Amino acid sequence: NAGVTQTPKFRVLKTGQSMTLLCAQDMNHEYMYWYRQDPGMGLRLIHYSVGEGTTAKGEVPDGYNVSRLKKQNFLLGLESAAPSQTSVYFCASSPYRRTSGRAGADTQYFGPGTRLTVL
Amino acid sequence: AQSVTQLDSQVPVFEEAPVELRCNYSSSVSVYLFWYVQYPNQGLQLLLKYLSGSTLVKGINGFEAEFNKSQTSFHLRKPSVHISDTAEYFCAVKEVAGSYQLTFGKGTKLSVIP
Repeated sequence: NAGVTQTPKFRVLKTGQSMTLLCAQDMNHEYMYWYRQDPGMGLRLIHYSVGEGTTAKGEVPDGYNVSRLKKQNFLLGLESAAPSQTSVYFCASSPYRRTSGRAGADTQYFGPGTRLTVL
Repeated sequence: AQSVTQLDSQVPVFEEAPVELRCNYSSSVSVYLFWYVQYPNQGLQLLLKYLSGSTLVKGINGFEAEFNKSQTSFHLRKPSVHISDTAEYFCAVKEVAGSYQLTFGKGTKLSVIP
């Protein structure tokens, strides 16, 4: 049981390049999230998904797109990278409340992060 | 909308001393409260959470937190810290009846001094 995994762990891009970050979870969770972490800013939600085929905007969605074609995967795309997108990106997942019960619900499980630098 | 304030960005403490990391939240509705820990170069790990019931919540690694509704606080405490507790700690809040979004504080870096 690997939990939440993220690919790649590190990446350096030039301004204007595109890339996709992959998040995978093997816990059969319904909900998945993408966050960015910047020094002194905590974690800020970029996009999230409440199920396969659905996505929604979070606090800081501009410049990012996401897709959830399979329940276990959540992709984060940068179409034209900018230096302001230099950050550490974390993916998380959480179970469906009605099946996990209150004790298990609302807890998010995080991946190890992807460190992205845009030059 | 809810918000979280972690009152100290950095907390240095000597090994085996007690520590309190402070967290205040703002919300007009009932909330769930969480503390996550992030060790260097790792993802976040749940330390403890308050959903309902007893206001004193015990978590992993000897940490505990107390929910105080009147003061809208959820401070994290440990009676005796170890070097291995050096990490960044995040307080987070989620509306009980809201979406599944967590709102995080900006974090408190705990440095344990030998």
